[in-house]
Amino acid sequence: DAGVIQSPRHEVTEMGQEVTLRCKPISGHDYLFWYRQTMMRGLELLIYFNNNVPIDDSGMPEDRFSAKMPNASFSTLKIQPSEPRDSAVYFCASSLMGSPGNTIYFGEGSWLTVV
Amino acid sequence: AQSVTQPDIHITVSEGASLELRCNYSYGATPYLFWYVQSPGQGLQLLLKYFSGDTLVQGIKGFEAEFKRSQSSFNLRKPSVHWSDAAEYFCAVGLNTGFQKLVFGTGTRLLVSP
Repeated sequence: DAGVIQSPRHEVTEMGQEVTLRCKPISGHDYLFWYRQTMMRGLELLIYFNNNVPIDDSGMPEDRFSAKMPNASFSTLKIQPSEPRDSAVYFCASSLMGSPGNTIYFGEGSWLTVV
Repeated sequence: AQSVTQPDIHITVSEGASLELRCNYSYGATPYLFWYVQSPGQGLQLLLKYFSGDTLVQGIKGFEAEFKRSQSSFNLRKPSVHWSDAAEYFCAVGLNTGFQKLVFGTGTRLLVSP
């Protein structure tokens, strides 16, 4: 079975540009998470959805960040305008409530560099 | 506040030697605990998890972890390390009844020497 699929895997963009990261969760999963990983702050949960509805966005750093989940098989994380301090690895993850142990499965990440 | 502490930033182990990675948590209720591994350039893979019951948990790749409530610890162990185990290891505690939110430790990077 395909895992969580993220795109792009790598992106280099200039400060001020809009960045859109995409995620396809595992089919049938009802939870989707966006995490950010940096050297300074480690892994942080930005936002998560349940059945396409945002449940907790308290980790979103500021208004420049937004996330959507228009349907069960697609989510985006958008940064507008981007800043150098947004450089990080962004992970999407999904899980199925009620599955054994509610394991959260991670994608391979989108490596973002803002110059 | 809930937190996870991994006191060792780096650990170097000789191939074939045993391994123990430390994890301590702070959480008011019964914790749901996880260990994840991240290979360079890759995402996180679940090694094992603890919810209840037997405090010694077996995982993939020959790893195990023991939950000790009295010490608020969930240390990861492996009796014989292979070079392919070199990676970063993250301990995490799941919050809420459905474990939807994971709080991660800062990670321990494992280096394996020949």
